Amino acid sequence: DSGVTQTPKHLITATGQRVTLRCSPRSGDLSVYWYQQSLDQGLQFLIHYYNGEERAKGNILERFSAQQFPDLHSELNLSSLELGDSALYFCASSEGGDSGENEQFFGPGTRLTVL
Amino acid sequence: AQSVTQLGSHVSVSEGALVLLRCNYSSSVPPYLFWYVQYPNQGLQLLLKYTSAATLVKGINGFEAEFKKSETSFHLTKPSAHMSDAAEYFCAVRVYGGSQGNLIFGKGTKLSVKP
Repeated sequence: DSGVTQTPKHLITATGQRVTLRCSPRSGDLSVYWYQQSLDQGLQFLIHYYNGEERAKGNILERFSAQQFPDLHSELNLSSLELGDSALYFCASSEGGDSGENEQFFGPGTRLTVL
Repeated sequence: AQSVTQLGSHVSVSEGALVLLRCNYSSSVPPYLFWYVQYPNQGLQLLLKYTSAATLVKGINGFEAEFKKSETSFHLTKPSAHMSDAAEYFCAVRVYGGSQGNLIFGKGTKLSVKP
């Protein structure tokens, strides 16, 4: 158990819908990272928040957005869903912002299926 | 820009045989390198990390990796495979500096262990 929690575990929805994925980081971790894992693209970085502020963006679609709240939990919002958005979405947390050494602890993931 | 290449999407070994999973990196700055393991339907777990302290890094479950700057490699090895090692393994490089801190992953290598 990494100490990072993600809800829900599974999500099945239809094209065009909007969903929200939730992540609670390990106690004391200020950084939250979101990654998408799909068969064709592999593991890709989406976005990074540090202590409530957006720090970096990766390959995140404009239909996707995220935020980190004062209690440090984070939500990833996916809208106008397409079949290709079906993937495993991971959140990871770490102590600091951009220190290279800090380990990232991964949650169990949310499996999104768009029908 | 940093990148990681994992050679071989599938590797099969017999129980008790040497495990060798290959990873080559590209980085314009001294890299921080990681190996993660993903068991079916689970999140990613850190096996080991290289942070410039020592070129031979020992991790959990008997795995180790050697950083070779001249070869830009960070191959993962285990002297004797166990059935429980069957999983997917990801090599990753850490982006750092400025506001960055995310991981860039290789495509992964699925390890099968035959009895």
